[in-house]
Amino acid sequence: QVQLQESGPGLVKPSETLSLTCSVSGASINSDYWNWIRQPPGKGLEWIGFISHSGIMKSNPSLRGRVTMSLDTSKNQFSLNLSSITAADTAMYYCARGSGYSYGQIFDYWGQGILIFVSS
Amino acid sequence: DIVMTQSPDSLAVSLGERATINCKSSQSVLYSFNNKNYLAWYQQKPGQPPKLLIHWASTREYGIPDRFSGSGSGTDFTLTISNLQAEDVAVYYCQQYFTTPVTFGGGTTVEIK
Repeated sequence: QVQLQESGPGLVKPSETLSLTCSVSGASINSDYWNWIRQPPGKGLEWIGFISHSGIMKSNPSLRGRVTMSLDTSKNQFSLNLSSITAADTAMYYCARGSGYSYGQIFDYWGQGILIFVSS
Repeated sequence: DIVMTQSPDSLAVSLGERATINCKSSQSVLYSFNNKNYLAWYQQKPGQPPKLLIHWASTREYGIPDRFSGSGSGTDFTLTISNLQAEDVAVYYCQQYFTTPVTFGGGTTVEIK
């Protein structure tokens, strides 16, 4: 059974960088695509980006280059850094496995999510 | 970006009746070379992450009850929940995976009347 679990701070100050980690069990991050998706409170879903097993990254242009991602194959984890945080980044952040292609995937396994609140 | 528009925003259906949710994409998500629609549906219950129900517009995931069905092609799609059960109360999202960035509809809330 594939399981994902997000970890990180619950509170981030404006202008800082948000760092999140997703720990994966039941599957190897040496295959497939590993995604971050967020959901502001009471709102819909926004795809943030993915990193592939080969280290290829794509992110949503709406985030204007604020996204970096990395893999740690020794720990079977992947990470997200989102820079220049503002209140608009307050959301539930999910990690998810992507199945498909570099130009588009479906998300078949999700973490439970971590709520990130941006405030000074 | 491909804009996904769902309707209605919410609907209330009696137990055992049918719920119909519509999803329209701003451009076709049908790939002509394989004749597949790159359209998925998810269910999100309160306090839970989304759950993948259907991909390729009409292919149910393993373990999803057959009262959930997807249809449509090109730009217009429908998720139908037949014989609505209490456990189907949730928000439903469509998603296109035709191109990056993948995008989601705004969601449709299904409640019991």
